[in-house]
Amino acid sequence: QSALTQPAAVSGAPGQSITISCTGTSSDVGSYNLVSWYRQHPGKAPNVIIYEDIKRPSGVSDRFSGSKSGNTASLTISGLQAEDEADYFCCSHTRSDTWVFGGGTKVTVL
Amino acid sequence: QVQLQQSGPGLVKPSQTLSLTCAISGDSVSSDRHAWNWIRQSPSRGLEWLGRTYYRSKWFYDYARSVKGRVAIIPDTSKNQFSLQLTSVTPEDTAVYYCSRGAVGWFDPWGQGSLVTVSS
Repeated sequence: QSALTQPAAVSGAPGQSITISCTGTSSDVGSYNLVSWYRQHPGKAPNVIIYEDIKRPSGVSDRFSGSKSGNTASLTISGLQAEDEADYFCCSHTRSDTWVFGGGTKVTVL
Repeated sequence: QVQLQQSGPGLVKPSQTLSLTCAISGDSVSSDRHAWNWIRQSPSRGLEWLGRTYYRSKWFYDYARSVKGRVAIIPDTSKNQFSLQLTSVTPEDTAVYYCSRGAVGWFDPWGQGSLVTVSS
């Protein structure tokens, strides 16, 4: 199972919006509404910020939103803040009943 | 609030078995709503799901193809924990290992992470 494809890095100024893409195949991203997104600060474990493509866990800022079209899922962060500087990973369930992650995107707040 | 506490050695010799344990508080390893997963992270392989166990009237196990045949995830209901065993390790298995609770579509929470180095 190949990793999902994410851009290595995305940057934006404070207050701007950025979007991170996550491309898979019809055997994973395109198969189910089971894409999740995680934020990871250096030296810490990942934390879920989006699940089931578009849902936000309680306590997660509404500045984070998820979407999906075909085999590509996207995470949008609006009103970029300094605390958003971190690594972001997507994850998808697969038809083999396993899970596959993206390679990660480093977000820099300029 | 669910918490996962990992334990185990940080150094394993090549060809030996890597063993880690994840103690659960605030939930049950026998939960009929959740699965219990191991995930690892390394610079070369990124985040990699290794496998899970879950209880739905009986125990089920799913493993990643990349480690199948070398991996076992073992629930321990008496201690409310689950363990990872990875046999015949090589330096490629050097990574930070995480345990995590899985619900439909997401992993939350995660353990604190355990750096395991495979070296003689």
